[in-house]
Amino acid sequence: EAQVTQNPRYLITVTGKKLTVTCSQNMNHEYMSWYRQDPGLGLRQIYYSMNVEVTDKGDVPEGYKVSRKEKRNFPLILESPSPNQTSLYFCASSLSGGLYEQYFGPGTRLTVT
Amino acid sequence: AQTVTQSQPEMSVQEAETVTLSCTYDTSENNYYLFWYKQPPSRQMILVIRQEAYKQQNATENRFSVNFQKAAKSFSLKISDSQLGDTAMYFCAFRGDNYGQNFVFGPGTRLSVLP
Repeated sequence: EAQVTQNPRYLITVTGKKLTVTCSQNMNHEYMSWYRQDPGLGLRQIYYSMNVEVTDKGDVPEGYKVSRKEKRNFPLILESPSPNQTSLYFCASSLSGGLYEQYFGPGTRLTVT
Repeated sequence: AQTVTQSQPEMSVQEAETVTLSCTYDTSENNYYLFWYKQPPSRQMILVIRQEAYKQQNATENRFSVNFQKAAKSFSLKISDSQLGDTAMYFCAFRGDNYGQNFVFGPGTRLSVLP
Protein backbone atom coordinates (compact mmCIF):
# COMPACT_ATOMS: atom_id res chain seq x y z
CA GLU A 1 0.00 0.00 0.00
CA ALA A 2 1.34 3.40 -1.01
CA GLN A 3 1.70 5.52 2.08
CA VAL A 4 3.56 8.08 4.13
CA THR A 5 4.24 7.04 7.70
CA GLN A 6 5.15 9.23 10.65
CA ASN A 7 6.31 8.32 14.12
CA PRO A 8 5.42 8.98 16.81
CA ARG A 9 1.78 9.93 16.33
CA TYR A 10 1.63 11.67 19.71
CA LEU A 11 4.45 13.10 21.77
CA ILE A 12 4.59 15.10 24.99
CA THR A 13 8.00 16.43 25.91
CA VAL A 14 9.69 19.13 27.96
CA THR A 15 11.42 22.29 26.87
CA GLY A 16 14.95 21.70 25.62
CA LYS A 17 14.84 17.94 25.20
CA LYS A 18 15.94 17.05 21.68
CA LEU A 19 13.49 15.00 19.65
CA THR A 20 13.13 13.53 16.18
CA VAL A 21 9.94 12.84 14.25
CA THR A 22 10.48 10.28 11.54
CA CYS A 23 8.84 10.30 8.12
CA SER A 24 9.05 7.58 5.51
CA GLN A 25 7.39 7.06 2.12
CA ASN A 26 7.29 3.98 -0.11
CA MET A 27 6.34 5.63 -3.41
CA ASN A 28 9.84 6.59 -4.61
CA HIS A 29 8.89 10.26 -4.50
CA GLU A 30 11.58 12.86 -5.03
CA TYR A 31 9.80 15.67 -3.19
CA MET A 32 9.21 15.57 0.56
CA SER A 33 8.05 18.27 2.92
CA TRP A 34 7.22 19.07 6.53
CA TYR A 35 4.32 21.28 7.68
CA ARG A 36 2.96 22.46 10.95
CA GLN A 37 -0.75 23.09 11.41
CA ASP A 38 -2.03 25.63 13.90
CA PRO A 39 -5.62 26.86 14.38
CA GLY A 40 -6.43 29.82 12.15
CA LEU A 41 -3.13 29.59 10.30
CA GLY A 42 -3.61 26.53 8.12
CA LEU A 43 -0.55 24.51 7.19
CA ARG A 44 2.76 26.25 7.06
CA GLN A 45 5.74 24.72 5.34
CA ILE A 46 8.80 24.17 7.54
CA TYR A 47 11.31 22.53 5.21
CA TYR A 48 11.17 20.69 1.93
CA SER A 49 13.47 18.48 -0.08
CA MET A 50 13.66 18.16 -3.83
CA ASN A 51 15.77 15.00 -3.66
CA VAL A 52 18.47 13.23 -1.66
CA GLU A 53 20.87 15.70 -0.04
CA VAL A 54 18.81 18.65 -1.33
CA THR A 55 16.82 20.54 1.30
CA ASP A 56 15.51 24.07 1.57
CA LYS A 57 13.69 26.28 4.03
CA GLY A 58 10.00 26.82 3.91
CA ASP A 59 8.14 29.66 5.57
CA VAL A 60 8.77 28.74 9.22
CA PRO A 61 12.14 26.94 9.53
CA GLU A 62 13.37 28.49 12.80
CA GLY A 63 13.98 25.89 15.49
CA TYR A 64 13.88 22.91 13.13
CA LYS A 65 16.40 20.83 11.23
CA VAL A 66 15.97 18.19 8.54
CA SER A 67 18.13 15.78 6.61
CA ARG A 68 17.59 13.70 3.48
CA LYS A 69 20.20 10.97 3.35
CA GLU A 70 17.91 8.43 1.71
CA LYS A 71 15.13 9.02 -0.77
CA ARG A 72 12.45 7.42 1.38
CA ASN A 73 13.20 9.13 4.72
CA PHE A 74 12.93 12.75 5.80
CA PRO A 75 13.21 13.16 9.58
CA LEU A 76 12.33 16.39 11.37
CA ILE A 77 14.63 17.31 14.25
CA LEU A 78 13.88 19.74 17.08
CA GLU A 79 17.22 20.33 18.78
CA SER A 80 15.80 22.34 21.69
CA PRO A 81 12.00 22.32 21.60
CA SER A 82 10.08 25.24 23.05
CA PRO A 83 6.38 25.59 23.93
CA ASN A 84 5.71 27.62 20.77
CA GLN A 85 6.52 24.48 18.77
CA THR A 86 3.48 22.74 20.20
CA SER A 87 1.54 21.90 17.08
CA LEU A 88 0.27 19.25 14.70
CA TYR A 89 2.97 18.21 12.24
CA PHE A 90 2.50 16.65 8.82
CA CYS A 91 4.99 15.05 6.49
CA ALA A 92 4.12 14.85 2.79
CA SER A 93 5.66 13.53 -0.40
CA SER A 94 5.05 13.79 -4.13
CA LEU A 95 6.67 13.36 -7.48
CA SER A 96 8.51 16.47 -8.61
CA GLY A 97 6.47 18.77 -10.76
CA GLY A 98 3.74 21.22 -10.02
CA LEU A 99 0.47 19.38 -10.50
CA TYR A 100 1.41 16.17 -8.76
CA GLU A 101 -0.59 15.38 -5.67
CA GLN A 102 1.06 15.55 -2.28
CA TYR A 103 0.46 12.48 -0.13
CA PHE A 104 0.29 13.27 3.54
CA GLY A 105 1.20 11.25 6.59
CA PRO A 106 -1.28 10.83 9.45
CA GLY A 107 0.16 13.68 11.50
CA THR A 108 2.12 13.95 14.76
CA ARG A 109 0.61 15.83 17.67
CA LEU A 110 3.48 17.41 19.61
CA THR A 111 3.11 19.08 22.99
CA VAL A 112 6.09 20.88 24.54
CA THR A 113 5.68 21.82 28.21
CA ALA B 1 6.15 35.81 -1.25
CA GLN B 2 2.91 34.15 -2.14
CA THR B 3 -0.09 34.35 0.15
CA VAL B 4 -3.37 32.48 0.18
CA THR B 5 -6.51 33.89 1.78
CA GLN B 6 -9.71 32.10 2.70
CA SER B 7 -12.12 34.72 3.97
CA GLN B 8 -14.74 32.35 5.38
CA PRO B 9 -13.52 30.71 8.60
CA GLU B 10 -16.74 28.71 8.95
CA MET B 11 -19.67 27.81 6.72
CA SER B 12 -22.64 25.53 6.90
CA VAL B 13 -24.92 24.04 4.26
CA GLN B 14 -27.95 21.81 4.26
CA GLU B 15 -27.55 18.30 2.94
CA ALA B 16 -28.15 18.12 -0.84
CA GLU B 17 -27.62 21.85 -1.27
CA THR B 18 -24.75 23.61 -3.04
CA VAL B 19 -22.04 25.62 -1.30
CA THR B 20 -19.11 27.68 -2.56
CA LEU B 21 -15.88 28.21 -0.63
CA SER B 22 -13.76 31.17 -1.60
CA CYS B 23 -10.00 31.41 -2.01
CA THR B 24 -7.84 34.24 -3.25
CA TYR B 25 -4.08 34.31 -3.63
CA ASP B 26 -1.31 36.69 -4.43
CA THR B 27 1.62 35.88 -6.69
CA SER B 28 3.81 37.43 -9.35
CA GLU B 29 4.34 34.12 -11.15
CA ASN B 30 2.66 33.46 -14.45
CA ASN B 31 2.32 29.71 -14.11
CA TYR B 32 1.45 27.91 -10.92
CA TYR B 33 -0.80 25.23 -9.51
CA LEU B 34 -3.78 25.44 -7.21
CA PHE B 35 -5.27 22.77 -5.01
CA TRP B 36 -8.14 22.17 -2.63
CA TYR B 37 -7.52 19.73 0.20
CA LYS B 38 -10.07 18.34 2.60
CA GLN B 39 -9.30 17.46 6.22
CA PRO B 40 -12.07 15.50 7.96
CA PRO B 41 -12.07 14.97 11.74
CA SER B 42 -9.66 12.06 11.22
CA ARG B 43 -7.03 14.75 10.40
CA GLN B 44 -6.05 12.98 7.18
CA MET B 45 -5.34 15.40 4.32
CA ILE B 46 -7.19 14.43 1.14
CA LEU B 47 -6.82 16.02 -2.27
CA VAL B 48 -10.16 17.23 -3.63
CA ILE B 49 -9.27 18.96 -6.87
CA ARG B 50 -6.36 20.71 -8.64
CA GLN B 51 -5.86 23.21 -11.42
CA GLU B 52 -2.94 24.46 -13.47
CA ALA B 53 -2.96 28.21 -14.04
CA TYR B 54 -2.24 27.84 -17.75
CA LYS B 55 -5.44 25.89 -18.30
CA GLN B 56 -8.49 28.04 -18.90
CA GLN B 57 -11.00 25.28 -18.35
CA ASN B 58 -12.20 24.90 -14.80
CA ALA B 59 -11.42 21.55 -13.19
CA THR B 60 -14.24 19.22 -12.17
CA GLU B 61 -14.22 16.08 -10.03
CA ASN B 62 -17.66 14.55 -9.60
CA ARG B 63 -19.59 16.87 -7.24
CA PHE B 64 -16.62 19.22 -6.84
CA SER B 65 -15.77 21.98 -9.30
CA VAL B 66 -13.74 25.15 -9.24
CA ASN B 67 -14.21 28.65 -10.58
CA PHE B 68 -10.72 29.79 -11.52
CA GLN B 69 -10.39 33.47 -12.32
CA LYS B 70 -6.73 34.07 -13.10
CA ALA B 71 -6.93 37.84 -13.51
CA ALA B 72 -8.74 38.18 -10.20
CA LYS B 73 -6.45 35.58 -8.56
CA SER B 74 -9.46 33.70 -7.32
CA PHE B 75 -9.95 29.94 -6.99
CA SER B 76 -13.30 29.06 -5.42
CA LEU B 77 -14.58 25.55 -4.75
CA LYS B 78 -18.17 24.57 -5.42
CA ILE B 79 -19.62 21.49 -3.77
CA SER B 80 -22.88 20.29 -5.29
CA ASP B 81 -25.36 17.93 -3.66
CA SER B 82 -23.58 18.28 -0.31
CA GLN B 83 -23.30 15.12 1.75
CA LEU B 84 -22.73 14.60 5.47
CA GLY B 85 -19.31 13.17 4.64
CA ASP B 86 -18.28 16.52 3.19
CA THR B 87 -18.10 17.95 6.71
CA ALA B 88 -14.43 18.90 7.09
CA MET B 89 -11.85 21.65 7.02
CA TYR B 90 -11.07 22.74 3.48
CA PHE B 91 -7.70 24.22 2.60
CA CYS B 92 -6.82 26.09 -0.55
CA ALA B 93 -3.16 25.70 -1.55
CA PHE B 94 -0.78 27.33 -4.01
CA ARG B 95 2.31 25.76 -5.51
CA GLY B 96 4.72 27.82 -7.56
CA ASP B 97 6.37 26.66 -10.73
CA ASN B 98 9.81 27.80 -9.64
CA TYR B 99 12.65 25.49 -8.63
CA GLY B 100 11.66 25.37 -4.98
CA GLN B 101 8.05 24.43 -5.63
CA ASN B 102 7.11 25.43 -2.13
CA PHE B 103 3.50 25.06 -1.09
CA VAL B 104 1.49 27.80 0.57
CA PHE B 105 -1.79 26.95 2.27
CA GLY B 106 -4.66 29.19 3.28
CA PRO B 107 -6.00 29.25 6.86
CA GLY B 108 -8.89 26.93 6.00
CA THR B 109 -12.69 27.00 6.01
CA ARG B 110 -14.59 24.73 8.37
CA LEU B 111 -17.61 23.36 6.52
CA SER B 112 -20.50 21.72 8.32
CA VAL B 113 -23.12 19.83 6.34
CA LEU B 114 -26.38 19.78 8.26
CA PRO B 115 -28.93 16.97 7.98
